[in-house]
Order: sequence, then structure tokens, then C-alpha cells
Amino acid sequence: EDQVTQSPEALRLQEGESSSLNCSYTVSGLRGLFWYRQDPGKGPEFLFTLYSAGEEKEKERLKATLTKKESFLHITAPKPEDSATYLCAVTPTSGTYKYIFGTGTRLKVLA
Amino acid sequence: EAQVTQNPRYLITVTGKKLTVTCSQNMNHEYMSWYRQDPGLGLRQIYYSMNVEVTDKGDVPEGYKVSRKEKRNFPLILESPSPNQTSLYFCASSLYRGDEQFFGPGTRLTVL
Repeated sequence: EDQVTQSPEALRLQEGESSSLNCSYTVSGLRGLFWYRQDPGKGPEFLFTLYSAGEEKEKERLKATLTKKESFLHITAPKPEDSATYLCAVTPTSGTYKYIFGTGTRLKVLA
Repeated sequence: EAQVTQNPRYLITVTGKKLTVTCSQNMNHEYMSWYRQDPGLGLRQIYYSMNVEVTDKGDVPEGYKVSRKEKRNFPLILESPSPNQTSLYFCASSLYRGDEQFFGPGTRLTVL
């Protein structure tokens, strides 16, 4: 069964304290892995797409990486405005075109 | 402005009273989808559509119906809502199947 697991569930960081969020996945074949940011009461906002192991994408303080079993979202020197829930999703290469989401990591960055 | 819109944003209804949540996108996207988001369960896909008149079940389709008669619109229909359908609903679209999705602002539904 296709599955996405994110860890930790919640993370508190001091401003400037770098860390990583994990997304491990089990799919029959990976078509794409996506990272989203979600603020309270709002729809998820797209961050990155990764397609193959070894791929990396970067945007401001965020960097996403991909291996054959997991993806990491690295946050370098975070600021309070980076506080949000970060969601990971995959779409498999099997015959359907579903998207499977993890339950997210709630990040709080303290000033 | 490129966007996905949903209406209504908030809805309180009673068990058994049919309702429709509308979703519209102005980006000429082929793929559209509905999700529900519940605490501890994350986003779960209800139905998706790969193009006009092409729809398929997601992981939690029971109690929901959809239709895709026009490319821009993808309404979600609850013919006989029940309290376990109380949730936060999101519509999303992507240019093609397998691409990154763009989400609407959400509809918070309460079924009493």
C-alpha cells in the first residue's frame, strides 16, 4: 500500500537554529514527490517537486532533497515567519493518478 | 490572478440535507481534485478528474459525488450528509496529472 510518513509531528526551533524535516515514502514507483507549506486556516502552498533520487531544490532558507526511500526538507537559519505546517505528498507511477499526503510537521520558530 | 476558488467558505447544515460545494479554476488546468483534511489524518483525496467527463475515486469517496462537465469547474456533492463528513475540504488543480497542485482556500463544513 502506498504510504507517506512525516517526522517529527511537531518541531520547535529558536530563530537561526537549522534543522531538517523527514518524509519517508512507500510507493510502487515514484512519479513525483511534493513539498507544501500550510498556514493555519489556509490551503497548502506549493514549494518543491522532486522526481528522482539525488535531486535537490532550493528556495530561500529551504532546501529539499530526495533519496529512493525518503525526502528531507532542510531549513537553514529559520525565521519566525517560517512557522507553518509542512506537508509532503507523493504521486505513484501505478495506473491511478492519486496523490498521497503525509500528516505533516508543525514547525514553530521562536524569536 | 491565477487561482482556485471555492464556495461557500463556511457551511453549517443538518444530516440528510443535500449540498454542493463549488470549485473553479482559471488556469486551464486538466487535473482537478477534492480533499478532506481532518486532525491527525492529514489530507485525504476524495475524488479526482483528469479532464472533462473523466473522474475517478480517491481514497475516501464514500458519501460523495462529483462531476466535470466543464474544464474549469469541479463541484463536490454530498447527497445525504452525515456528521462524519464534518471536515475542512480543499479543491486543487494541476496543469496535468502528476504535476504540482494549486489549492483553493478551503471550505469548513459542519454537519449537525
